[in-house]
Amino acid sequence: GDQVEQSPSALSLHEGTGSALRCNFTTTMRAVQWFRKNSRGSLINLFYLASGTKENGRLKSAFDSKERYSTLHIRDAQLEDSGTYFCAVDSNYQLIWGSGTKLIIKP
Amino acid sequence: ETAVFQTPNYHVTQVGNEVSFNCKQTLGHDTMYWYKQDSKKLLKIMFSYNNKQLIVNETVPRRFSPQSSDKAHLNLRIKSVEPEDSAVYLCASSYGGRYSGNTLYFGEGSRLIVV
Repeated sequence: GDQVEQSPSALSLHEGTGSALRCNFTTTMRAVQWFRKNSRGSLINLFYLASGTKENGRLKSAFDSKERYSTLHIRDAQLEDSGTYFCAVDSNYQLIWGSGTKLIIKP
Repeated sequence: ETAVFQTPNYHVTQVGNEVSFNCKQTLGHDTMYWYKQDSKKLLKIMFSYNNKQLIVNETVPRRFSPQSSDKAHLNLRIKSVEPEDSAVYLCASSYGGRYSGNTLYFGEGSRLIVV
């Protein structure tokens, strides 16, 4: 099975609300990185975590290597937050990706 | 928003031809990488390079080689492409090496189709 499971696969939020995306791993990973794919297809780096939590504006991420999961919280969602969000975990010579969460923000 | 630029984004070629993908980063990073994305959504690192050290994934076939003129550029050359080289190749950059805890910034990717 997949080593990285990302959920939900799709999420629709109204402006001003919030939610959490989750990434579960089947084995212990050394670090996780969260990206947002923009309209041009570029992967925009959001967070890199080897442990604990990080916050940047309306985004907050947590990584628990022991429990094998990471979360990305979005609060006060804005229209420009729409896009596909990916988590990726660092495993030696491989960067293993989740399948993405398509986030749609509605007015 | 992107600061890692790859060209071309798409290339179709025949078996045996030579292909080069260019990558430039404007972030002032000192380390650049090339990854190959396989059909299972895995990104496998091919090369990690800064102006001090080239690290090669030993599983990468010898027909692949990195070429760098300065720390802002890292090109990927494939001497004689094979059908299994069809994939998306992603360039990335960071401060320090992969295990220094620094984030990776990716380009848009270069899709290679070998016919």
